[in-house]
Amino acid sequence: ETGVTQSPTHLIKTRGQQVTLRCSSQSGHNTVSWYQQALGQGPQFIFQYYREEENGRGNFPPRFSGLQFPNYSSELNVNALELDDSALYLCASSLGKGGNQPQHFGDGTRLSIL
Amino acid sequence: GENVEQHPSTLSVQEGDSAVIKCTYSDSASNYFPWYKQELGKGPQLIIDIRSNVGEKKDQRIAVTLNKTAKHFSLHITETQPEDSAVYFCAASLPTGANSKLTFGKGITLSVRP
Repeated sequence: ETGVTQSPTHLIKTRGQQVTLRCSSQSGHNTVSWYQQALGQGPQFIFQYYREEENGRGNFPPRFSGLQFPNYSSELNVNALELDDSALYLCASSLGKGGNQPQHFGDGTRLSIL
Repeated sequence: GENVEQHPSTLSVQEGDSAVIKCTYSDSASNYFPWYKQELGKGPQLIIDIRSNVGEKKDQRIAVTLNKTAKHFSLHITETQPEDSAVYFCAASLPTGANSKLTFGKGITLSVRP
């Protein structure tokens, strides 16, 4: 069974740029959730995709957007990067939509904004 | 929305002792409560979860208890080992629906002294 994989592991960008982060879900899972984890904090929910449709969104601006593909892999796109976007971005996959299904995380992408 | 708090923020125990980590949640409708362990440079790892129709769940040295009346749940680790040292996050989720998402606490750093 293949676990959740994320790429790239690290990324450095400058303010105003755009970034795309990628996530491959665990085999058999049809749902991907994205989280932002600032240093010393718990993960904060960005949004969830279930069978290629957005299913719930946290308190993040529209410049955070996403996609889910037919194979259930997913992308997180962030436009007009700001310094405060520096964080660890985590994706988690699960079987079934919502927050009350066991979610399994990847090791994240560390994004640094200069 | 849901608010999850963890206390204390750090905990140090002697190897072989037990550790107890407590969390409180605000929304009485929440029905799913997972615990995650995060090691340095890794994503959160699901270690145990409990649903609101159960009061206690055990898995080897780990147990979770839930008190729905008081709206708190606790992680119990017995016979602690140095490899238990990590950051532990609790989370809560509402049932499947528009607002169903995982809300995390800020985490507690557990140190097990050899």
